[in-house]
Amino acid sequence: DGGITQSPKYLFRKEGQNVTLSCEQNLNHDAMYWYRQDPGQGLRLIYYSQIVNDFQKGDIAEGYSVSREKKESFPLTVTSAQKNPTAFYLCASRRGGLGTEAFFGQGTRLTVV
Amino acid sequence: GENVEQHPSTLSVQEGDSAVIKCTYSDSASNYFPWYKQELGKRPQLIIDIRSNVGEKKDQRIAVTLNKTAKHFSLHITETQPEDSAVYFCAASKPPNNNDMRFGAGTRLTVKP
Repeated sequence: DGGITQSPKYLFRKEGQNVTLSCEQNLNHDAMYWYRQDPGQGLRLIYYSQIVNDFQKGDIAEGYSVSREKKESFPLTVTSAQKNPTAFYLCASRRGGLGTEAFFGQGTRLTVV
Repeated sequence: GENVEQHPSTLSVQEGDSAVIKCTYSDSASNYFPWYKQELGKRPQLIIDIRSNVGEKKDQRIAVTLNKTAKHFSLHITETQPEDSAVYFCAASKPPNNNDMRFGAGTRLTVKP
């Protein structure tokens, strides 16, 4: 369904632990994104990557890290430095360039207790 | 980065009425403006988009208008139906590669039967 998969769907972690969210796509897309979705705040950009071994900070990158070692994969690590990590995280990919559609994963709901 | 503001945050209409959602953007260089629809429990999906060289675009009951001078664009839904109930997000991106995509805060549209 859309060729982009996030795992797991639900994730629970203890406060102070780092956690990595997985995002894989088989659409051969160059661009990949991580957004955080909180009620009333829309889709806020955490990081995006335009090509392998490249990534750029979005509006709320503090406390998060990413890597793009393979075109298909763009994992997001939520570190202990993120002050309010409990949220719904959406990964997306696009072919890249003007007018190209973003395809979203089904999301990961992270709860930190 | 680009700042996209979206209004209203919630909108309730009677079935058959029209609905209008407005977005403003801050960077005059932005040239691509998509709209995504997110139904409850599902991932966002592209419903319509517009490029800066066009003032209006229609697709059946939905249309998007763009005012480059005022830096705002709007989604218009006519003859609303209950299945139009969802959260709608606008977005904007700019050259050189349009890969930095920022979203608005979303509008929750409820269509009452």
